[in-house]
Amino acid sequence: DGGITQSPKYLFRKEGQNVTLSCEQNLNHDAMYWYRQDPGQGLRLIYYSQIVNDFQKGDIAEGYSVSREKKESFPLTVTSAQKNPTAFYLCASSPYDFGQTYGYTFGSGTRLTVV
Amino acid sequence: AQTVTQSQPEMSVQEAETVTLSCTYDTSESDYYLFWYKQPPSRQMILVIRQEAYKQQNATENRFSVNFQKAAKSFSLKISDSQLGDAAMYFCAYRYGAQKLVFGQGTRLTINP
Repeated sequence: DGGITQSPKYLFRKEGQNVTLSCEQNLNHDAMYWYRQDPGQGLRLIYYSQIVNDFQKGDIAEGYSVSREKKESFPLTVTSAQKNPTAFYLCASSPYDFGQTYGYTFGSGTRLTVV
Repeated sequence: AQTVTQSQPEMSVQEAETVTLSCTYDTSESDYYLFWYKQPPSRQMILVIRQEAYKQQNATENRFSVNFQKAAKSFSLKISDSQLGDAAMYFCAYRYGAQKLVFGQGTRLTINP
């Protein structure tokens, strides 16, 4: 079945470490997105990519980095510059077509905790 | 910029009753899409229903229906015959063409047995 796989489900980071969250999709979607969700809060956009080798900052990109070397993969790195990284991270994808509008398909998320 | 507002941070309803979640949005576009997503305790985001702005008929998916008022920029979600499994965070979202989805802040729905 097609879908989005996020790994790991739980991740622990020590102070000063960089960590990378994985997001892989086999839906042949062009666009991919990373969101952060804090407890009881809505979704805030970190980065997004509409095509391979291109990506744009979202609303809260500081302290994060991404790459998009393959259509299927959009990893997110949480750097040591991110002062409050403890949160739930959601990856999503969507077809990218100016002639149509689609909703997003979401992964199951990664819970990152700073220890 | 487009914005989506959910004015009810929390709602509760008795099992088997009907509940309506509110959503308003702001846009200058005429042809766009609106969505309701459900996030249960598992935190998996699930698409509940979507509405194309050019369609006057309100979308319906089983027990879920919307009241789309384009002139008022209102997009409420009605859940009929509420079930315990409906307990979740519900997010309203807007999308214009290939642009990013814009989410509201969410409404936490509790179902009382």
